[in-house]
Amino acid sequence: NAGVTQTPKFRVLKTGQSMTLLCAQDMNHEYMYWYRQDPGMGLRLIHYSVGEGTTAKGEVPDGYNVSRLKKQNFLLGLESAAPSQTSVYFCASSSWTGGAFGYTFGSGTRLTVV
Amino acid sequence: SQKIEQNSEALNIQEGKTATLTCNYTNYSPAYLQWYRQDPGRGPVFLLLIRENEKEKRKERLKVTFDTTLKQSLFHITASQPADSATYLCALDIDTDKLIFGTGTRLQVFP
Repeated sequence: NAGVTQTPKFRVLKTGQSMTLLCAQDMNHEYMYWYRQDPGMGLRLIHYSVGEGTTAKGEVPDGYNVSRLKKQNFLLGLESAAPSQTSVYFCASSSWTGGAFGYTFGSGTRLTVV
Repeated sequence: SQKIEQNSEALNIQEGKTATLTCNYTNYSPAYLQWYRQDPGRGPVFLLLIRENEKEKRKERLKVTFDTTLKQSLFHITASQPADSATYLCALDIDTDKLIFGTGTRLQVFP
């Protein structure tokens, strides 16, 4: 039982480049989330999904896009990376509403934009 | 806007003592409050959830209280061990499908 798997674990991008972060979960969870974590800022919600084919904006969605074509996968895209997007990105999933059940997090992707 | 405050300063305690971490929030009335543990370089791990109508929840050496009048939660680790050293995050539901997180408090338990 792998839980939540994020790929890649590390990446260095040049300003203006694009990339996609992949999140896969094998727990049949309906809800999936993308957070970024920065020193002193805590975890901030970027985008989330309440089911296959649905996505919604979180607290800091600008510069990111997401897709949930399959229930088990949630992709986070950066179309034109900026240094301000240097961060650690975490994907999470939950079986129902986030309030009633704890989230399961992946191990994170450390992204540096130079 | 909703705001969650956790002590940004590290908490250093001696092994065997009880560690108490605080989570305060403003401008919101959450139905649930959660606590997570995060180790360096790892994702947060869910520990406990407490509902607004529950005053206290326990799990092994962990205890969480939730005071909706004070808008505060306390997280206790009894008989603390060096292995308990980590950052602890509290989180609140701001909608039925979203959580917001505090910045966390780092706990260091020394022998």
